[in-house]
Amino acid sequence: QSALTQPRSVSGSPGQSVTISCTGTSSDVGAYNWVSWYQQRPGKAPKFMIYDVSQRPSGVPDRFSGSQSGNTASLTISGLQAEDEADYFCCSYAGSHYVFGTGTEVTVL
Amino acid sequence: DVQLVESGGGLVQPGGSLRLSCAASGFTFSNYWMSWVRQAPGKGLEWVANIKQDGSEKYYVDSLKGRFTISRDNAKNSLYLQMNSLRAEDSAVYYCTRTIVASPGDFWGQGTLVTVSS
Repeated sequence: QSALTQPRSVSGSPGQSVTISCTGTSSDVGAYNWVSWYQQRPGKAPKFMIYDVSQRPSGVPDRFSGSQSGNTASLTISGLQAEDEADYFCCSYAGSHYVFGTGTEVTVL
Repeated sequence: DVQLVESGGGLVQPGGSLRLSCAASGFTFSNYWMSWVRQAPGKGLEWVANIKQDGSEKYYVDSLKGRFTISRDNAKNSLYLQMNSLRAEDSAVYYCTRTIVASPGDFWGQGTLVTVSS
């Protein structure tokens, strides 16, 4: 049950796009289409942003999108806004349990 | 609105025990799997355990080695985590989450802080 691998940080200017990768194995990310993403602002609980690789819960802006290829899932934030500055975590179902990613800090320049 | 409110955190000595509770409201609690997720200070998220709607299935992260027990009381709309033989590395904010297959947490509580220290 090793954590999924994410870049430690990514950054972009307002209006730009950033993509966060989430690399797992054929036992988790590659085995199921059940990758989810969470946004966490300092001192707050995580917020559910993406599920089933690319589905957005109601209320999540459509500038957040998800995709997957093999053992790697990705979260793209298009039209970056100041309020998007936060930590982002991916998560994959791994057969009776879940494994989270290492987390990525997104900085808006 | 869905609400999850954790309680029971605090300071405990190594080797001690603690029981966390989570009061759920705003949805039909007995229809959902539920989970506990923790986050050590300055670290990432770690799924800890989950429990089926009727309590008949429970799963845990391997690293716990049987020290924690998840349970629920559907009549009280409550989720619990009994933590025994606590270690310094168990120090974290513990979140109660509503679980769907695609995600361990589509809704999260505000968390309760557990500190294991002498």
